[in-house]
Amino acid sequence: NAGVTQTPKFRILKIGQSMTLQCAQDMNHNYMYWYRQDPGMGLKLIYYSVGAGITDKGEVPNGYNVSRSTTEDFPLRLELAAPSQTSVYFCASSLYQGRETQYFGPGTRLLVL
Amino acid sequence: AQKVTQAQTEISVVEKEDVTLDCVYETRDTTYYLFWYKQPPSGELVFLIRRNSFDEQNEISGRYSWNFQKSTSSFNFTITASQVVDSAVYFCALSEFFSGGYNKLIFGAGTRLAVHP
Repeated sequence: NAGVTQTPKFRILKIGQSMTLQCAQDMNHNYMYWYRQDPGMGLKLIYYSVGAGITDKGEVPNGYNVSRSTTEDFPLRLELAAPSQTSVYFCASSLYQGRETQYFGPGTRLLVL
Repeated sequence: AQKVTQAQTEISVVEKEDVTLDCVYETRDTTYYLFWYKQPPSGELVFLIRRNSFDEQNEISGRYSWNFQKSTSSFNFTITASQVVDSAVYFCALSEFFSGGYNKLIFGAGTRLAVHP
């Protein structure tokens, strides 16, 4: 059971480049989330999804886009990378919302230069 | 508004010492959930415990124990006889629950624990 997987593990981008961070879960969870973790800080929610075809903004959505075409996958798109997007990105999933435990992927470290 | 405060930024102990990580939360709701996650140097986030607001029983799991006190809005985490492998950043998180809508998981800033041999 792989749980939540993320690719790539590490990426360097130049300012203005685009990329997609991949996230997949094999637990048949309804809810999926993208967080970013800046150095010395807790996690902040970027986007979340309550099921295939349904997504919504979290606390810090600017500069990002998401889609959810299947239950398993929840990619995060950066259209025009900026240095402020240098961070560690975590994908998570849960069966339901609120009271349910969120299980996290291993993270993607992104450096924008 | 929801808020989680982990006032201890960094703690350094020697192996076999007991250590308590503090977590204080703010919420307007009567129904909510509290979590602790561990982030070892490898970077992943590992779920440790979930507690709902109606269950104030303390919990013990091996060397780990959690003290939930609604009267002081605290959910503290104690590691007994710490080991080097306990070195990590520990996050406390809060989720309010209500029907309909989305419940955010609010994280504290984390406490970095360093256990030295």
